[in-house]
Amino acid sequence: EDQVTQSPEALRLQEGESSSLNCSYTVSGLRGLFWYRQDPGKGPEFLFTLYSAGEEKEKERLKATLTKKESFLHITAPKPEDSATYLCAVQPREGYALNFGKGTSLLVTP
Amino acid sequence: GAVVSQHPSWVICKSGTSVKIECRSLDFQATTMFWYRQFPKQSLMLMATSNEGSKATYEQGVEKDKFLINHASLTLSTLTVTSAHPEDSSFYICSARTVSHGYTFGSGTRLTVV
Repeated sequence: EDQVTQSPEALRLQEGESSSLNCSYTVSGLRGLFWYRQDPGKGPEFLFTLYSAGEEKEKERLKATLTKKESFLHITAPKPEDSATYLCAVQPREGYALNFGKGTSLLVTP
Repeated sequence: GAVVSQHPSWVICKSGTSVKIECRSLDFQATTMFWYRQFPKQSLMLMATSNEGSKATYEQGVEKDKFLINHASLTLSTLTVTSAHPEDSSFYICSARTVSHGYTFGSGTRLTVV
């Protein structure tokens, strides 16, 4: 059965304190791994899609990487506005529906 | 970019009544729409997949007679929660998939059944 596990569940950082979020997955043939940001009471906002091990993508203070077993979302010098829940999702070989992890709730304090 | 408009953003209804949630793709045609449910501090759980013009496919454990999905056009999909009960209170989110834009999510609907 496909599984997506995110860690930690919650993370509190000081502004400027870099860190990484983890997404471990087991899936029957990965077609894509997705990272989303979700603010309270809102739908997920797309960040990145990664397709193959070794791939990396960057956007402002965020960088996503992918191996055969996990993905990391690196946050460099975060700001308070980066506070949100970050969701990881995988698209398996069969079907198009995404399978989501529970997310990491990030709080960045000034 | 692709935008999915979801309404209402929140709704409170009495137990036993029905509630309809709409998702419209504003600038593209959504042949496939996904409906998710999210409980507090939990993951998005897929409820069903709807394809335009055909019956929705429901995930195991989701009552198709309770959660009615209609995808009658390429720009509109609806989820009706029938005879709602307090345990149906949750955050409902739709998502459309296109080849060009990937997955686009609606802004979600907070349903509270009292």
